[in-house]
Amino acid sequence: DAGVIQSPRHEVTEMGQEVTLRCKPISGHDYLFWYRQTMMRGLELLIYFNNNVPIDDSGMPEDRFSAKMPNASFSTLKIQPSEPRDSAVYFCASRARSSGANVLTFGAGSRLTVL
Amino acid sequence: GEDVEQSLFLSVREGDSSVINCTYTDSSSTYLYWYKQEPGAGLQLLTYIFSNMDMKQDQRLTVLLNKKDKHLSLRIADTQTGDSAIYFCAESKDRGSTLGRLYFGRGTQLTVWP
Repeated sequence: DAGVIQSPRHEVTEMGQEVTLRCKPISGHDYLFWYRQTMMRGLELLIYFNNNVPIDDSGMPEDRFSAKMPNASFSTLKIQPSEPRDSAVYFCASRARSSGANVLTFGAGSRLTVL
Repeated sequence: GEDVEQSLFLSVREGDSSVINCTYTDSSSTYLYWYKQEPGAGLQLLTYIFSNMDMKQDQRLTVLLNKKDKHLSLRIADTQTGDSAIYFCAESKDRGSTLGRLYFGRGTQLTVWP
């Protein structure tokens, strides 16, 4: 298995532009998580899905952020309009249905820089 | 609450043992985890322990859990320069609305000096 695949790995954009981050979870995993990592706040959970349904989006910072999971093999995190304070590394992670422990597999992350 | 706390930095000499500590507040945690993050990479699961255990050993790694004090530690024996990374402590409570969710600490940056 190729693991959790995220794209793009790096994105540099200007303030006000729309940003779309993509994630392909591991096949058969039924949970998908979006995290954001910054030096100031550490690792923050933004939103997570179970069987493509959003379960908890209380970590989404503002209405500028939205996430979708149209099917079991794809999710997007969109920021519109982007701001410099959105600069961070965004991680996607997925979890297997059968595991008793909550073992998440993380992608390599998408590093976003908003100028 | 779901607070998980750990110290931010630890430096050790190569060959020494490293001990990374973590405290958590919720006694209903079902599993506790250690994840490792190398530079430029995502988090990778190192090991986890079920809450009814007090110790787990896996090669150079030893996890100790003190449920009474809500304290978790990760000991790395014979620490190598390749162990330099950020280590995250996390907990989960697999019930109700929190099912499936992990709560992470801020991470401990381990630096190993040759």
